[in-house]
Amino acid sequence: QVHLVESGGGVVQPGGSLRVSCAASGFTFTSYGMFWVRQAAGKGLEWLTVISYDGTNKNYADSVKGRFTVSRDNSKNMLYLQMSSLRAEDTAVYYCARADSKWELSHWGQGTLVTVSS
Amino acid sequence: QPVLTQPPSMSGAPGQRVTISCTGSRSNIGAGYEVHWYQHLPGAAPKLLIFGNNNRPSGVPDRFSGSKSGTSASLAITGLQAADEADYYCQSYDSGLNGYVFGPGTKVTVL
Repeated sequence: QVHLVESGGGVVQPGGSLRVSCAASGFTFTSYGMFWVRQAAGKGLEWLTVISYDGTNKNYADSVKGRFTVSRDNSKNMLYLQMSSLRAEDTAVYYCARADSKWELSHWGQGTLVTVSS
Repeated sequence: QPVLTQPPSMSGAPGQRVTISCTGSRSNIGAGYEVHWYQHLPGAAPKLLIFGNNNRPSGVPDRFSGSKSGTSASLAITGLQAADEADYYCQSYDSGLNGYVFGPGTKVTVL
């Protein structure tokens, strides 16, 4: 079955960088667009970025544009989110999710916690 | 101001019906972009409940239904159960923002 597993979360200082990863299995990774979504403690879900099935098209929320970069390695079934210039308000659980034909998020990982703190 | 608005909370007794609204504008729901709904339990991954305004993924009980009209959408839960206590989010696309948006979420409590 479809399995998405995030990793790479941790504690990072303000202004620092971190890369979180998402390992995909159980489906043809190269056929699906992928999302990153986050949730800060006590807050709602926030869409961050989407990448097309082949990695050629990417789109970002204004809150992370210019600081975060999404990428994928289809040979390894891996999705990445490179985060830089991190701020305290970036502290959240980061989820990867698979986008289906209507851009609904049919499968989600369990999330990885990123804490930005000195 | 959130692009999509939802009531912060709703409640109902077991067996009752609850309807959660998701109000947008002409740049998102009103522009014809489809609405999807998710259920999120604490500590778990969000779960897709409704996609494309009114379609249920396999495995989602028919107690959950979605609709859309004009610039708004709704999620109805009938035969409310204790297991339905969760946060519910709508999602769509906004052409003004050129990106995807989630509603702020609605916490459903079963009395």
